[in-house]
Amino acid sequence: GEDVEQSLFLSVREGDSSVINCTYTDSSSTYLYWYKQEPGAGLQLLTYIFSNMDMKQDQRLTVLLNKKDKHLSLRIADTQTGDSAIYFCAESIEGTYKYIFGTGTRLKVLA
Amino acid sequence: DTEVTQTPKHLVMGMTNKKSLKCEQHMGHRAMYWYKQKAKKPPELMFVYSYEKLSINESVPSRFSPECPNSSLLNLHLHALQPEDSALYLCASSQDGGVAFFGQGTRLTVV
Repeated sequence: GEDVEQSLFLSVREGDSSVINCTYTDSSSTYLYWYKQEPGAGLQLLTYIFSNMDMKQDQRLTVLLNKKDKHLSLRIADTQTGDSAIYFCAESIEGTYKYIFGTGTRLKVLA
Repeated sequence: DTEVTQTPKHLVMGMTNKKSLKCEQHMGHRAMYWYKQKAKKPPELMFVYSYEKLSINESVPSRFSPECPNSSLLNLHLHALQPEDSALYLCASSQDGGVAFFGQGTRLTVV
């Protein structure tokens, strides 16, 4: 089946690291994504990882993929107040045009 | 250029009105998507066009009518909507089923 789960809420202090977790069930994913959505805005693609990779780093962002456990995480180093938003993980399913989105994690950064 | 442009940004319409949402991308992507997003929920797929042909319709009511005039443009025609159709409508594009880029959305209010 297709199911992607995330914890609903995360609160961190400015300057700390944030780790947002995601679990998925479909093993035929090609890519896994992290999108950021600020209030009233669309989805901004933050980063993505190909399903045969286990790590990707891009400036303050580190994505870890454990394909055996079907677990994806996003680490944001030195979290800033501008990082406050909802973060969606998503997977694209091989051979389809379907993107399965997680429930979203609301990140609140405290000054 | 990784931009997907949607117009208008906001739209208020009555239940007897006819209006259209527009989406444009110049990344050469051949797949374009309409998603509907309610507050604090993940996006839900409505339609997918692949190579200008409708390939997925997720059982969307006929009061929503998509159109793909060419490979860069995607429209969503709205007629006789209900208040529960009020939502953020997101357009996205991808090269086949690869990495998807989203627009900023149209915030639709049906009165």
